[in-house]
Amino acid sequence: DADVTQTPRNRITKTGKRIMLECSQTKGHDRMYWYRQDPGLGLRLIYYSFDVKDINKGEISDGYSVSRQAQAKFSLSLESAIPNQTALYFCATSDSGQGRHEQYFGPGTRLTVT
Amino acid sequence: AQSVSQHNHHVILSEAASLELGCNYSYGGTVNLFWYVQYPGQHLQLLLKYFSGDPLVKGIKGFEAEFIKSKFSFNLRKPSVQWSDTAEYFCAVTPVNTGNQFYFGTGTSLTVIP
Repeated sequence: DADVTQTPRNRITKTGKRIMLECSQTKGHDRMYWYRQDPGLGLRLIYYSFDVKDINKGEISDGYSVSRQAQAKFSLSLESAIPNQTALYFCATSDSGQGRHEQYFGPGTRLTVT
Repeated sequence: AQSVSQHNHHVILSEAASLELGCNYSYGGTVNLFWYVQYPGQHLQLLLKYFSGDPLVKGIKGFEAEFIKSKFSFNLRKPSVQWSDTAEYFCAVTPVNTGNQFYFGTGTSLTVIP
């Protein structure tokens, strides 16, 4: 969905490096999410934010941190990357106002930690 | 914790065959239900959704799903698959009164042979 963008799309980094993945949306949604996708494990929730001042840990938050800089921007950081954080990362948004909460996904960031 | 089970991890079908992918969830309360599709190299896209009403819902590209509350199931069906349906399919569940967090299944990889 072009309304949700992620940068970078691909990144290779070394163990121990700090890396930030960025997500922006023009859908006007209040809720944003970060997931990681691993083969055979589906999507697992890392962090989610229901508004700028409301950030919550998901299923697998260890080793990650987030920042909700504005309603439209939600960044995911790996403070010290490790190889098992190699995965496909997706940002998603939803609109609480609709009462339905279906999520809209960005194109993904493929991260490789060597 | 809530769980979503997709029993078929990898399905291989010939074109024109019928498809049914299983999805079961563990939450006993009111839920919203979704099927997402991820075509090779792409992000997740919403295929169909169920919020309330008729338990048989129709989505895009000829897909449909049936919600059977007594079985905690939301199986995806298509009468006749096409090569272009080759993709990964994810079932997702949102318990209505728990902050609307999404729980995804591990996915089913569908390969359609021409």
